[in-house]
Amino acid sequence: DAGVIQSPRHEVTEMGQEVTLRCKPISGHNSLFWYRQTMMRGLELLIYFNNNVPIDDSGMPEDRFSAKMPNASFSTLKIQPSEPRDSAVYFCASERDMNTEAFFGQGTRLTVV
Amino acid sequence: EDQVTQSPEALRLQEGESSSLNCSYTVSGLRGLFWYRQDPGKGPEFLFTLYSAGEEKEKERLKATLTKKESFLHITAPKPEDSATYLCAVINSGGGADGLTFGKGTHLIIQP
Repeated sequence: DAGVIQSPRHEVTEMGQEVTLRCKPISGHNSLFWYRQTMMRGLELLIYFNNNVPIDDSGMPEDRFSAKMPNASFSTLKIQPSEPRDSAVYFCASERDMNTEAFFGQGTRLTVV
Repeated sequence: EDQVTQSPEALRLQEGESSSLNCSYTVSGLRGLFWYRQDPGKGPEFLFTLYSAGEEKEKERLKATLTKKESFLHITAPKPEDSATYLCAVINSGGGADGLTFGKGTHLIIQP
């Protein structure tokens, strides 16, 4: 299996623009998570899905952030409008079942200027 | 609120010099404690899961242990390729998010 695949690997955008990050989880995994990593705050959970259904989005920082999982093999995290403080590395992870080991993608490094 | 504190923040060792990394946690109920390794520019890579106090797991030069308040990652006779950031994370059984709550990690450097 190719593992969790995220795209793009790097994104540079101007403040106010819409940004969409993409994730393909490992086939057969039922849970998908979006995390954000910064030097100041470390890794933080943003939102997670179980069987394509959003379970907890309490970590989403603002209404500018939204996530969808239209099917078992694809998820998006959208920021609209983007701000410089959104600059971070965003990771997607999937688990076969809830609370088992999480497999992380390579991350998307987002820079908002 | 779940809290995970890792120490030290950074550790530099000579090749072959054994040491331990600490992870202290505060949760209402521990469902699981996880150790991950993260290399620069990559996502975290799973190492171990521990579920109950007294449990131990080993993998090559690494050994993870768990008590009711903390976990240790012991590294024996490390090699330069063990250099990475080691992350500890917990899942709380007391309700709330099922995702991982991470500590900020220990940046480990092994010098040849």
